[in-house]
Amino acid sequence: SYVLTQPPSLSVAPGRTARISCGGDNIGRKNVHWYQQKPGQAPVLVIYYDSERPSGIPERFSGSNSGNTATLTISGVEAGDEADYYCQVWDSSGDQYVFGTGTKVTVL
Amino acid sequence: EVQLVESGGGLVKPGGSLRLSCAASGFTFSNTWMSWVRQAPGKGLEWVGRVKSDIDGGTTDFAAPVKGRFSISRHDSNSTVYLQMNSLVTEDTAVYYCTTIGLTVSASFDFWGHGTLVSVSS
Repeated sequence: SYVLTQPPSLSVAPGRTARISCGGDNIGRKNVHWYQQKPGQAPVLVIYYDSERPSGIPERFSGSNSGNTATLTISGVEAGDEADYYCQVWDSSGDQYVFGTGTKVTVL
Repeated sequence: EVQLVESGGGLVKPGGSLRLSCAASGFTFSNTWMSWVRQAPGKGLEWVGRVKSDIDGGTTDFAAPVKGRFSISRHDSNSTVYLQMNSLVTEDTAVYYCTTIGLTVSASFDFWGHGTLVSVSS
């Protein structure tokens, strides 16, 4: 089965840039979506198709995808960005939706 | 406004059954694929299964850990999707979220309910 690997945690100071990686075999050939989950809340889609932002998501959120790594970038991090972030793809070979292991972002 | 409201969670003994419901509103339910995603306490997100729209065949698919034990059905007449869970084991303890698939973005879980907690324990 297809596996997506993320760093368990990341700490960043306010105003700085956070980059969250999502590693998978040839992930650059897949469409990657990213979700933000704040404590006690349901996940929210923040990036789709590698780098597109849904309506209402700040421009500070951006994404890229190439080779074996997709990346979610949060520029000018704010306290309200503290959350867990998950990448996700559709694995056509296994006919399965796959989530990454998740990254907890802490704003210092 | 898209709304998904789950219900039916609770405490059940190992080997038991439970049916979750998800009432949808604010979009054309009959045209939309629906899915269930779960999250065990303190753990990450795990896809459970999906049901396609009837126009796309209405078929269901499941993740390996639940295949053969869980089923999904949809009633377009009342915009509700159900997750029938049988032969429950302690590892099925989780918050279960109902989601749309591709309502606005293909192959993504673009809208989520608030979740309902299922606890499997003796």
